[in-house]
Amino acid sequence: EAGVVQSPRYKIIEKKQPVAFWCNPISGHNTLYWYRQNLGQGPELLIRYENEEAVDDSQLPKDRFSAERLKGVDSTLKIQPAELGDSAVYLCASSLGQINEKLFFGSGTQLSVL
Amino acid sequence: GEDVEQSLFLSVREGDSSVINCTYTDSSSTYLYWYKQEPGAGLQLLTYIFSNMDMKQDQRLTVLLNKKDKHLSLRIADTQTGDSAIYFCAVNPPSEKLTFGTGTRLTIIP
Repeated sequence: EAGVVQSPRYKIIEKKQPVAFWCNPISGHNTLYWYRQNLGQGPELLIRYENEEAVDDSQLPKDRFSAERLKGVDSTLKIQPAELGDSAVYLCASSLGQINEKLFFGSGTQLSVL
Repeated sequence: GEDVEQSLFLSVREGDSSVINCTYTDSSSTYLYWYKQEPGAGLQLLTYIFSNMDMKQDQRLTVLLNKKDKHLSLRIADTQTGDSAIYFCAVNPPSEKLTFGTGTRLTIIP
């Protein structure tokens, strides 16, 4: 069974440019998460989806970040415009959405903003 | 919000036991987790413990939970070079998001 797939693996952009990340969760997983992991820190939740609905986006900087999950499967996370402080690894995870939230993570997209 | 703390680094000789510690502030979590992150990869769930348990053993892994002290530990027996990674504990208070610690980088000394 395929795991959580993310692309691209790496992205280098100049500040003020837009960037988008894509995630394909494990088949049958209703819950999808986007996390940001800064260097030397644990992942921090940006947004959580239950099917198509964003149920927790309280940590998403809405002035520049947006996300969507069309048809409750794949998801994209966009930053426009990117700032230097956005350099981080962006991780996507999925789960069955039960009380015991066993999350399955993708390999992440490492973003460098120059 | 929840605060989860871990030591940043741990070095252990190959074949010895590794003990990675974690403290947290909210005692209402139903499940507590340990994740492993190898270089350039996402996090992988290693094991978890239900909050009404004190201990859980899974092959070389032993999880100990002290709810009174809000302390969680992961013991890896017979540590091997393949255990080199960053280990994150995570807690999940009801109606709150899963919160990760800062991670402990485990280095194996040959």
